[in-house]
Amino acid sequence: DTGVSQDPRHKITKRGQNVTFRCDPISEHNRLYWYRQTLGQGPEFLTYFQNEAQLEKSRLLSDRFSAERPKGSFSTLEIQRTEQGDSAMYLCASSHVTGALTDTQYFGPGTRLTVL
Amino acid sequence: AQKITQTQPGMFVQEKEAVTLDCTYDTSDPSYGLFWYKQPSSGEMIFLIYQGSYDQQNATEGRYSLNFQKARKSANLVISASQLGDSAMYFCATREDYKLSFGAGTTVTVRA
Repeated sequence: DTGVSQDPRHKITKRGQNVTFRCDPISEHNRLYWYRQTLGQGPEFLTYFQNEAQLEKSRLLSDRFSAERPKGSFSTLEIQRTEQGDSAMYLCASSHVTGALTDTQYFGPGTRLTVL
Repeated sequence: AQKITQTQPGMFVQEKEAVTLDCTYDTSDPSYGLFWYKQPSSGEMIFLIYQGSYDQQNATEGRYSLNFQKARKSANLVISASQLGDSAMYFCATREDYKLSFGAGTTVTVRA
């Protein structure tokens, strides 16, 4: 069983450009989460999906950010008109929801974004 | 909103010795989960151990054990017999409903 994968692992872009990241969750997992981690901090929740439905978005997710999970499998996170403050590690996680608090989220390797 | 506090920004430990990483949390929810993750320099968050708020016994997972003191809202991680590969950032997190809230982390450096 493969783990969560993310692509690309690193992205360098110029301010004002659009970028898109992809996340492939563990195959039987029905929930998918996006987090953002800045240097020296723990990850912060951005949004999550149950199957293809986006159920919650953090206030951190400005209108320049959009996430999709079109068929309930992989997900994409797009940032439009990137700003230097968007530079961070973007982490994807997935879990299989059973309703118990033990639903463990498994993380991918992350995409490190640098906005010049 | 939940708040997680990890007061130790960095720790050094000698190989083969044990190390305790502190974590306190603040929640009003009677039912919650506590997690510890390891993040090596490669960036991936690796799940280590879980403790439920209603669990009577402290969780253990190999060389990892969790010292859970519910009344003090404390969930310290103990790593026994440290190895060089344990050098990483360690994060404590709570889960309420669907999302995880993380502390700022503790950097552990294991010395040979």
